[in-house]
Amino acid sequence: NAGVTQTPKFRILKIGQSMTLQCTQDMNHNYMYWYRQDPGMGLKLIYYSVGAGITDKGEVPNGYNVSRSTTEDFPLRLELAAPSQTSVYFCASRNREYEQYFGPGTRLTVT
Amino acid sequence: AQSVTQLDSQVPVFEEAPVELRCNYSSSVSVYLFWYVQYPNQGLQLLLKYLSGSTLVKGINGFEAEFNKSQTSFHLRKPSVHISDTAEYFCAVSDPGDKIIFGKGTRLHILP
Repeated sequence: NAGVTQTPKFRILKIGQSMTLQCTQDMNHNYMYWYRQDPGMGLKLIYYSVGAGITDKGEVPNGYNVSRSTTEDFPLRLELAAPSQTSVYFCASRNREYEQYFGPGTRLTVT
Repeated sequence: AQSVTQLDSQVPVFEEAPVELRCNYSSSVSVYLFWYVQYPNQGLQLLLKYLSGSTLVKGINGFEAEFNKSQTSFHLRKPSVHISDTAEYFCAVSDPGDKIIFGKGTRLHILP
């Protein structure tokens, strides 16, 4: 049981490039979340999903897109990377008892 | 809209001393409340949660928290801290819905 896995662990992007952050969970959780963490700012919710085929915006969705074609996978897409998107990104899934399980994070730098 | 305020960005405390990390929330409806811990270069782990029932909640690693509805608070406490408790602690709130919103975090520094 791997829990929540994220790839890649680190990535450097140039301004204007695009990339997809991968997130997979093997706990059969319906709920999944993407957060970004910036120093001193806590975690900000980017997007979330309540099940396959259903996604919704969080607090800071601009510049990002998501899809949820399966229960297991919840990729986050950055289309035109900007320096403001330099951050650590965490994916999480949630069980029916409202307990969230977090992945190890992806550290993204945009230069 | 729900929100979470963690009143202290950093808390230094001597080893074996007690500690309290403060958390206040705002929400127009009933809430679920959580504390998570993040060790350096890791993801977050659940320490404890309040969904309903007893207002005193016990979690892992000797931590506990008390839900106070009148003061809209959910402060985290430990009677005696250890060096291994050095981490960042996050309070989070969910109205019983889909979103879970986090506070800005409190860094706990254990002094020898």
